[in-house]
Amino acid sequence: GENVEQHPSTLSVQEGDSAVIKCTYSDSASNYFPWYKQELGKGPQLIIDIRSNVGEKKDQRIAVTLNKTAKHFSLHITETQPEDSAVYFCAASVADGLTFGKGTHLIIQP
Amino acid sequence: GAGVSQSPSNKVTEKGKDVELRCDPISGHTALYWYRQSLGQGLEFLIYFQGNSAPDKSGLPSDRFSAERTGGSVSTLTIQRTQQEDSAVYLCASSFSPGRPGEQYFGPGTRLTVT
Repeated sequence: GENVEQHPSTLSVQEGDSAVIKCTYSDSASNYFPWYKQELGKGPQLIIDIRSNVGEKKDQRIAVTLNKTAKHFSLHITETQPEDSAVYFCAASVADGLTFGKGTHLIIQP
Repeated sequence: GAGVSQSPSNKVTEKGKDVELRCDPISGHTALYWYRQSLGQGLEFLIYFQGNSAPDKSGLPSDRFSAERTGGSVSTLTIQRTQQEDSAVYLCASSFSPGRPGEQYFGPGTRLTVT
């Protein structure tokens, strides 16, 4: 089955700086890669996703890149703000269920 | 419109008791998923429904866990003879695009504590 590795487990950045979270996956058949943001006490919220027919997707301050050859994908957040503080999860999917990474706790330092 | 809802939001139960967790998916979403999230961990896939049938039950951790879905809408996850290691947040998600990877939208979860 699919295995998703996510790094780092904790990331602390100064407000206004950029943050990058990286994930690798094992199943070359995976073709859908969403990113979720989870705030304390809430369910995960889909923030951006990418399918295997594109290499990069951007939505305002958030971007995701995908390298299918290397089987890794990354989340980039620019101009970080205090409200970006949360746990971020990457995931990969072939057909139905999602396989998640273990999450990255992003801390935005004032 | 309304998102995925789950009830109860919190459940405390004694070891050995049975519990039922409920999920109301987004209207029109035919696919429904259950995940478990232990403290500080990622999300562990439990079971997936397409309509009322469950083509993938591979993630259920033991035969104490079961789930059903009726009318292609509401789903219940039942845990029999609960154990302390069952303590976790149980998350439900729904999707409009079954069989093809599609956006899954999560509910707020049920926090289960087994004492």
